[in-house]
Amino acid sequence: DTEVTQTPKHLVMGMTNKKSLKCEQHMGHRAMYWYKQKAKKPPELMFVYSYEKLSINESVPSRFSPECPNSSLLNLHLHALQPEDSALYLCASSQDNYNEQFFGPGTRLTVL
Amino acid sequence: ILNVEQSPQSLHVQEGDSTNFTCSFPSSNFYALHWYRWETAKSPEALFVMTLNGDEKKKGRISATLNTKEGYSYLYIKGSQPEDSATYLCAFRLSGGFKTIFGAGTRLFVKA
Repeated sequence: DTEVTQTPKHLVMGMTNKKSLKCEQHMGHRAMYWYKQKAKKPPELMFVYSYEKLSINESVPSRFSPECPNSSLLNLHLHALQPEDSALYLCASSQDNYNEQFFGPGTRLTVL
Repeated sequence: ILNVEQSPQSLHVQEGDSTNFTCSFPSSNFYALHWYRWETAKSPEALFVMTLNGDEKKKGRISATLNTKEGYSYLYIKGSQPEDSATYLCAFRLSGGFKTIFGAGTRLFVKA
């Protein structure tokens, strides 16, 4: 199974809502990533987990809260988002810090 | 600020044309350079992982070269087909960790 799954595919939320994005992989990869991508811009790294520990936080606002409950799952908890947070959120995983990343299809988030 | 630049932003070619595009990246703290292909409504998919200066990799009609000293990589597509239409992203991996910086991509349109 070389698939990374993400749910939901689309999410619309208000600025006062709390929601979560989920990502799952069963390739035994030890690194998992969250990226944010706005139209015509490169994917921007937000967080990296390595062996279930937060390895990188790219100065992401605290309204985004990552969680890695186990080596297969990665969540992104969202609270009090702003309209400018509307974007495609991509999850990825990799064997290590050398090999390619495997991406999920993304969650298209709209904040009203 | 570390920057990864890709050119051109978009490219329109006829079926059968050969084409190439460029990825420029910092020449310091280099660990690896990845190429990804991203078709509309799908997940980005890895094409190549390149690490050594002078590396050349090939997969079917697609090949890539790497120059780490001057900080660039070329991706070549020979005899473009409509199914090659996609966005081609390069990603620069810094040494010492998982940090990954993506370029904005080259959007390729191949007309039958």
